Amino acid sequence: DAKTTQPPSMDCAEGRAANLPCNHSTISGNEYVYWYRQIHSQGPQYIIHGLKNNETNEMASLIITEDRKSSTLILPHATLRDTAVYYCIVRVAENAGNMLTFGGGTRLMVKP
Amino acid sequence: DAGITQSPRHKVTETGTPVTLRCHQTENHRYMYWYRQDPGHGLRLIHYSYGVKDTDKGEVSDGYSVSRSKTEDFLLTLESATSSQTSVYFCAISEARRDGYTFGSGTRLTVV
Repeated sequence: DAKTTQPPSMDCAEGRAANLPCNHSTISGNEYVYWYRQIHSQGPQYIIHGLKNNETNEMASLIITEDRKSSTLILPHATLRDTAVYYCIVRVAENAGNMLTFGGGTRLMVKP
Repeated sequence: DAGITQSPRHKVTETGTPVTLRCHQTENHRYMYWYRQDPGHGLRLIHYSYGVKDTDKGEVSDGYSVSRSKTEDFLLTLESATSSQTSVYFCAISEARRDGYTFGSGTRLTVV
C-alpha cells in the first residue's frame, strides 16, 4: 500500500471549513483513499473514502486531484467536537483481509 | 459504537499470565480485526479474520493468538503477557473489503 504524508497538526476556527491535506504521490491505480479520525481515547471513526471521483457524505467531502497524488478532506463547518487526529490511508480495497495501516495523522484543533 | 463491544474495557495483569480480550459484534459482518495503539506508532494490525475459523497475521502478531469460532466473536489471547504488550487494543469490523471499518471503544491493558 502507498504511503501518505500529512501535516502533523493544524488549527481551524469554529464554524469555518477545515481543509486537511494528504499527499500520496506513489498511489497506484487500484488504491483507494480512506479517511478516519480519532477523538481522544475513543476508537477511530470512519469518515469517507474514494477512488478518483470527489465524494461527499453527511460528515465531510473528499477532493482527490486529477492525478490522484493528493487529496483534501473538507469538514465544511468545523465544531469543537471535530477536534481529533485525522488519518489519511491509501490501500488496495481487495487486499486480503481488507487491512488498513494507520500512520501518524494530522491533529486538528478547532478553536472557538 | 453500536454493534461492536469490547470486553473488558480495562485490565491490569501480571507478567507471564495469559489474557484474553473479547470482541463481540451484532452486525453479522464478515471481517474482524485486532489493532493495538501505542504512542508514536499509530494503530498497528495484530490479527484479522475473514470468516469463521479463517484468520491471518498482521504486522505485530508475535505473542498473540486469535480465534473466531462464531461470526459474532473474535478473541485475542496473549499467551504469556509481557510489559511490552501494555497498550490500548481496538477491535474493528467491516462487511466487505472496500467498506470503512467500525471500531470498538477499546480495551486498555496494563501488564505489570
